[in-house]
Amino acid sequence: EPEVTQTPSHQVTQMGQEVILRCVPISNHLYFYWYRQILGQKVEFLVSFYNNEISEKSEIFDDQFSVERPDGSNFTLKIRSTKLEDSAMYFCASHNARGGTGELFFGEGSRLTVL
Amino acid sequence: ELKVEQNPLFLSMQEGKNYTIYCNYSTTSDRLYWYRQDPGKSLESLFVLLSNGAVKQEGRLMASLDTKARLSTLHITAAVHDLSATYFCAVDMVRGNLIFGKGTKLSVKP
Repeated sequence: EPEVTQTPSHQVTQMGQEVILRCVPISNHLYFYWYRQILGQKVEFLVSFYNNEISEKSEIFDDQFSVERPDGSNFTLKIRSTKLEDSAMYFCASHNARGGTGELFFGEGSRLTVL
Repeated sequence: ELKVEQNPLFLSMQEGKNYTIYCNYSTTSDRLYWYRQDPGKSLESLFVLLSNGAVKQEGRLMASLDTKARLSTLHITAAVHDLSATYFCAVDMVRGNLIFGKGTKLSVKP
């Protein structure tokens, strides 16, 4: 069964460092997303991406964050200068809006710890 | 701003009992999801509800949607320990931009 894959599974970084989280969405999917979940809290939308550009972004997704799809398969989330409060689980998701239920498929997540 | 409220947030059940988790949301949406999350794990899709009156069942779980009341329910029948997890409902604002509830942490005890 096709799945969304994410790397790394866990990253520890120092405050102020840049971090790149990587995702490989399901191959025929067209819409890509990043969500985050601070430990013990609810899942929050960060950004959606379609046709090589951002479709929507939340208030959380400020200038420190960026996304790109550099090579047609990977979808990356970059945090330019990490803060302590960026510590969270980051989930990538994708779906195919053409037909089907539009169901969102989530990856296993990348846990980011900022020290 | 869309708000999604789940209740209860914590639920301790005995095996074999039935219970319902409620998900209320504040504005119109035509798509509602239920997800399961085990500790430290990803979100497993349980149900996608697309229309008013939709009812879906999988094993001991049944989900329904009333778009007029802006209410979805997740009913658990004859709970077993394996159902212990956190359950989230999520409402689709704009395709794929999901607003999640806070989750219901379910603990099923023998």
